[in-house]
Amino acid sequence: AQSVAQPEDQVNVAEGNPLTVKCTYSVSGNPYLFWYVQYPNRGLQFLLKYITGDNLVKGSYGFEAEFNKSQTSFHLKKPSALVSDSALYFCAVRGNAGNMLTFGGGTRLMVKP
Amino acid sequence: DGGITQSPKYLFRKEGQNVTLSCEQNLNHDAMYWYRQDPGQGLRLIYYSQIVNDFQKGDIAEGYSVSREKKESFPLTVTSAQKNPTAFYLCASSMKGIDSTDTQYFGPGTRLTVL
Repeated sequence: AQSVAQPEDQVNVAEGNPLTVKCTYSVSGNPYLFWYVQYPNRGLQFLLKYITGDNLVKGSYGFEAEFNKSQTSFHLKKPSALVSDSALYFCAVRGNAGNMLTFGGGTRLMVKP
Repeated sequence: DGGITQSPKYLFRKEGQNVTLSCEQNLNHDAMYWYRQDPGQGLRLIYYSQIVNDFQKGDIAEGYSVSREKKESFPLTVTSAQKNPTAFYLCASSMKGIDSTDTQYFGPGTRLTVL
């Protein structure tokens, strides 16, 4: 069975500082990894995904994520946080063909001015 | 939220009633999905459909039903058999459901409250 862990319920960061939202996964075969963001009472917006190739994936709104196979991690990062980045972030993984996406429990990011 | 619409945005239901949530997409995607989101939890898959006139149960299908008569539409019915239906319901679609690299795109959601 595949699974995703987001070990932090909430991450607090000051505006302008770098941010990291952590994600680790367990899956059979090659992992396909996704990050989504959710603003209050809205649907999920796709940020980025890792399929293959370069371990550093760049996505929307200045976000990037680093795939680390040995640590089975896919942490979301941004060099300089904005107050508008405050939202709920979800990591998701998919393994072999035919498997559905499995989501982590979400991490709330709070960026303070 | 792209080309996926969900209606209504808010829905109130009395106990014992069935309600149907609408999901429509104009992305020409083959696959569609329904998820349930509860506070403090991730998304849980209710049903999915990879092609018209075919659908499969997800992890928490009990008390729910779906249909897929048209490619662009995937309505979800929450029946009276669902014991705890109050939640935020999200519809998603993807180009080809069987492709593991496929990105799912989400609608804006429907918040269902049982009175």
